[in-house]
Amino acid sequence: EAGVAQSPRYKIIEKRQSVAFWCNPISGHATLYWYQQILGQGPKLLIQFQNNGVVDDSQLPKDRFSAERLKGVDSTLKIQPAKLEDSAVYLCASSRNRGLGEKLFFGSGTQLSVL
Amino acid sequence: EDQVTQSPEALRLQEGESSSLNCSYTVSGLRGLFWYRQDPGKGPEFLFTLYSAGEEKEKERLKATLTKKESFLHITAPKPEDSATYLCAVQAGDYKLSFGAGTTVTVRA
Repeated sequence: EAGVAQSPRYKIIEKRQSVAFWCNPISGHATLYWYQQILGQGPKLLIQFQNNGVVDDSQLPKDRFSAERLKGVDSTLKIQPAKLEDSAVYLCASSRNRGLGEKLFFGSGTQLSVL
Repeated sequence: EDQVTQSPEALRLQEGESSSLNCSYTVSGLRGLFWYRQDPGKGPEFLFTLYSAGEEKEKERLKATLTKKESFLHITAPKPEDSATYLCAVQAGDYKLSFGAGTTVTVRA
């Protein structure tokens, strides 16, 4: 089966600019996640969707980050305006559902550099 | 707040030299402990889920074990292709995964 698709693969922007990332999860997966992974750290959950509803966005910096999942399938994550500390890899993941032991399938991520 | 600490940060092994990685955790109501492997430039890839103390799971040269406070990932007779970052994550009552920073393993031929 096809994996989680993300684009772009790399993005370089200047601070205060805006950027958007796209994710297409595995077909049939109800739960979609966006993680931020700063170099040398583990992934940190930004937002979790169940179908097209938000389940958890407690760690999303809502003054600059936004995300949506249209029709419960594809998702976009936007940063506006970007700060230097937003430089990281943004990983999208999906799982069949949300619950005990559900394993996540990750995309290869978008590496963002903010100059 | 859930805390996951992995040690060591980095591990350099000779091919065939067995070793263990540690994941210690503080979590309220552990539902499951996960191990993932991450190769450079890729997203994490699922390895194991452990649910209760005393449980063990194996896959090729890897074996994961769980106690009430920590988990170990044992690598037996590693090969260069086992070089990767190994991430530990805990799933708590809200089903959210909290990841550790990982252990980067380098296996030299």
